[in-house]
Amino acid sequence: QQKVQQSPESLTVSEGAMASLNCTFSDGTSDNFRWYRQHSGKGLEVLVSIFSDGEKEEGRFTAHLNRASLHVSLHIREPQPSDSAVYLCAMSMTPGTGSNRLTFGKGTKFSLIP
Amino acid sequence: DTTVKQNPRYKLARVGKPVNLICSQTMNHDTMYWYQKKPNQAPKLLLFYYDKILNREADTFEKFQSSRPNNSFCSLYIGSAGLEYSAMYLCASSQMGGHQDTQYFGPGTRLLVL
Repeated sequence: QQKVQQSPESLTVSEGAMASLNCTFSDGTSDNFRWYRQHSGKGLEVLVSIFSDGEKEEGRFTAHLNRASLHVSLHIREPQPSDSAVYLCAMSMTPGTGSNRLTFGKGTKFSLIP
Repeated sequence: DTTVKQNPRYKLARVGKPVNLICSQTMNHDTMYWYQKKPNQAPKLLLFYYDKILNREADTFEKFQSSRPNNSFCSLYIGSAGLEYSAMYLCASSQMGGHQDTQYFGPGTRLLVL
């Protein structure tokens, strides 16, 4: 079963700095990768979905996937106070291959220093 | 509209008593999921309904029941709550098919068992 390590557990950056969050996973069976964000008291909001090696940009959020290195990352450009939240990486196999479950990391608590 | 609703948002239950949590979605998604999240742990899939077919995870098979009376609603039922059930319960929905199978989450129900 896929295992996911997410780092760091918490991250605080100053306004204007780039923020980088990371996930490593245990095997190459997943081919769908997503980053979710959860503000306090709210549901998980999908930020970026990536399905092949390389990068995928959605506004100020860029995901990088390297399946050979078992690594997916999220970079937040010009973070805003509203970006303060918990960020979770999640991965799954393509539906129809027998598994539709998301395997999550534990999350990174991200905060911005104004 | 990618809205998933959950009721109640907070639930206090006594040990040994039943608990019923409700989820609804208006996106006509064919699949609905229930995840359990405890502090400092990754969300963990408990079960999911694909159309009318219930799939329960092997390690939680005996602990949780679910029903899906129609496409829009799905419940999570605990017959006899124990202290270990205290957690956040997250409902999600998606439309199965291809790798665009994004799961959309509700705000969660925080269950506290005393």
